[in-house]
Amino acid sequence: KAGVTQTPRYLIKTRGQQVTLSCSPISGHRSVSWYQQTPGQGLQFLFEYFSETQRNKGNFPGRFSGRQFSNSRSEMNVSTLELGDSALYLCASSPPSSTDTQYFGPGTRLTVL
Amino acid sequence: QKEVEQNSGPLSVPEGAIASLNCTYSDRGSQSFFWYRQYSGKSPELIMSIYSNGDKEDGRFTAQLNKASQYVSLLIRDSQPSDSATYLCAALGGATNKLIFGTGTLLAVQP
Repeated sequence: KAGVTQTPRYLIKTRGQQVTLSCSPISGHRSVSWYQQTPGQGLQFLFEYFSETQRNKGNFPGRFSGRQFSNSRSEMNVSTLELGDSALYLCASSPPSSTDTQYFGPGTRLTVL
Repeated sequence: QKEVEQNSGPLSVPEGAIASLNCTYSDRGSQSFFWYRQYSGKSPELIMSIYSNGDKEDGRFTAQLNKASQYVSLLIRDSQPSDSATYLCAALGGATNKLIFGTGTLLAVQP
């Protein structure tokens, strides 16, 4: 079974731009969560989607948004990029049998210049 | 106070020794706990989950949970250089149902 996939793997943007990241969960997984990982703050929860609905949200500004499609694929969007948004963005999916067990994708490395 | 705290390390152990990684959490409502391993430049991978007080063993790994002390640990027996990585402790918030990660402990196993 294929793992979680994320595209693109690397991205360079400038301040003020917006970016969209994509995540395809493991087949059969309906829950998708997004995390931001930085050296200083570690892994921080952004949001979780289940069956196209945002089920949970972390403490990030409204510039960070996401959505989930009927095939469970998810996207996250960051608008008006700031230098501090440079990070590794990780997507994780969970199986129906164990919704608190997360399987992570390889991540998207975002650099904001 | 961070919700999940870990010593950042590095924790250096010789090959073949037992590595002991520790984690404390602040949310008394947390019921589910996880250990992830993250190699440099890679994404986290789940090693173990633990839900009940006591020990849970899986191969060379043993997770220990003490809810009264709000303490979780991971023991790695017969440590190998390939175990060198950052180990992340995570707790599922009782009320929030959010997975909260510690900042990780860097383990270095010396050959």
